[in-house]
Amino acid sequence: VQLVQSGAEVKKPGSSVKVSCKVSGGMFGGYAFRWVRQAPGQGLEWMGGIIPIFGTTDYAQKFQGRVTITADESTTTVYMELSSLRSDDTAVYYCARAEIVVENSLYMDVWGTGSTVTVSS
Amino acid sequence: DIVMTQSPDSLAVSLGERATINCRSSQSVLHSSVNENYLAWYQQKPGQPPKLLFYWASTRESGVPDRFSGSGSGTDFTLTISNVKAEDVAVYYCHQYYTTPDTFGQGTNLEIK
Repeated sequence: VQLVQSGAEVKKPGSSVKVSCKVSGGMFGGYAFRWVRQAPGQGLEWMGGIIPIFGTTDYAQKFQGRVTITADESTTTVYMELSSLRSDDTAVYYCARAEIVVENSLYMDVWGTGSTVTVSS
Repeated sequence: DIVMTQSPDSLAVSLGERATINCRSSQSVLHSSVNENYLAWYQQKPGQPPKLLFYWASTRESGVPDRFSGSGSGTDFTLTISNVKAEDVAVYYCHQYYTTPDTFGQGTNLEIK
């Protein structure tokens, strides 16, 4: 299975970005898909996720109201949209597949290629 | 939120020696009903996405060399790399998935001495 993400983006402060994650070569249902970002030279930060089979999403409190994660089962693609961009949103954004049990997401076993988002005026 | 704290932040080890990385959670990540620790370890090499090494604290992901081992329970966990090789140079992260928000340790940078 591969998670292929959309390319690099340069955005102005206050705008929005939508990053895609195409899931290929494996099952789409039966897994959760999480978004994790990494600012330059920094660690990993969980943003939120979606479980397509249940249609449920959860988001980190820090991003509530600014992030929306959706999934299109017909194209096996997951999306993460982040609005009201600031310079400190400059980061590499990763999607990752996670195993699930009941409706809980577990460890992330397959990671996307990463999408670089640069926020600059 | 559960805070994950790794130690050390950076580690330099000679080739063939052992590297030990610790991870402590601010509350237990042991799910008593299933007796599993909701703790994973990842390896991240420069310019690459993280790679899963261990889940349930000690279950090795397929393809991970047995030089790598994961241990611990409750709030204290260890990643051990025996016979360190040059290819092991990376940043290592622990991750708790016991409760949302998922949280990661700050990372431990492994270098060769």
